[in-house]
Amino acid sequence: NAGVTQTPKFRVLKTGQSMTLLCAQDMNHEYMYWYRQDPGMGLRLIHYSVGEGTTAKGEVPDGYNVSRLKKQNFLLGLESAAPSQTSVYFCASSTTVSVSSGYTFGSGTRLTVV
Amino acid sequence: AQSVTQLGSHVSVSEGALVLLRCNYSSSVPPYLFWYVQYPNQGLQLLLKYTSAATLVKGINGFEAEFKKSETSFHLTKPSAHMSDAAEYFCAVSSANQAGTALIFGKGTTLSVSS
Repeated sequence: NAGVTQTPKFRVLKTGQSMTLLCAQDMNHEYMYWYRQDPGMGLRLIHYSVGEGTTAKGEVPDGYNVSRLKKQNFLLGLESAAPSQTSVYFCASSTTVSVSSGYTFGSGTRLTVV
Repeated sequence: AQSVTQLGSHVSVSEGALVLLRCNYSSSVPPYLFWYVQYPNQGLQLLLKYTSAATLVKGINGFEAEFKKSETSFHLTKPSAHMSDAAEYFCAVSSANQAGTALIFGKGTTLSVSS
């Protein structure tokens, strides 16, 4: 099915370890986003991209890096994981002209940092 | 800057009762407004959206919302709750004038439905 695919779905990291979360979309969307969801906090934007090769910081970018080398993929990296990064991470994508069509979300990655 | 406030982190209703989930927004430019639903251990699904056309917007599963500019509100309603409506609901805002502007989400409202 067309949509947004996130890998992995679950991961447990030790403090200080690094990892990369992969988001792939097959809808030819220009815009892609990474959010984190924490209880009582809603979804907060980490980084986003308005096109291949471009990225921008969101509300909570510290401790994360991103890359958009291919239009269909948006990678979220944690260089040195901290317990505060325990969260559920959602990737989303949207079309170009505006966001009036709404986002398409992936099913999420549940990350625990111990 | 844009923001969204969802009044009530938890709403409980009986099956068959009216559902009302409140959302107020702040935006210095014409907004696009959205309601998303999240079922347990799943991603977010778009319920409905306001994009400057009709102020009363109908969505999936019998939900609707009314955009009231004077009150800066976009409350979500459903006449009769079903058990299957139990989920977390998020209101979100973006700018109508800025392509690529990211959605800003509220903190969410958990809807519980009792029999």
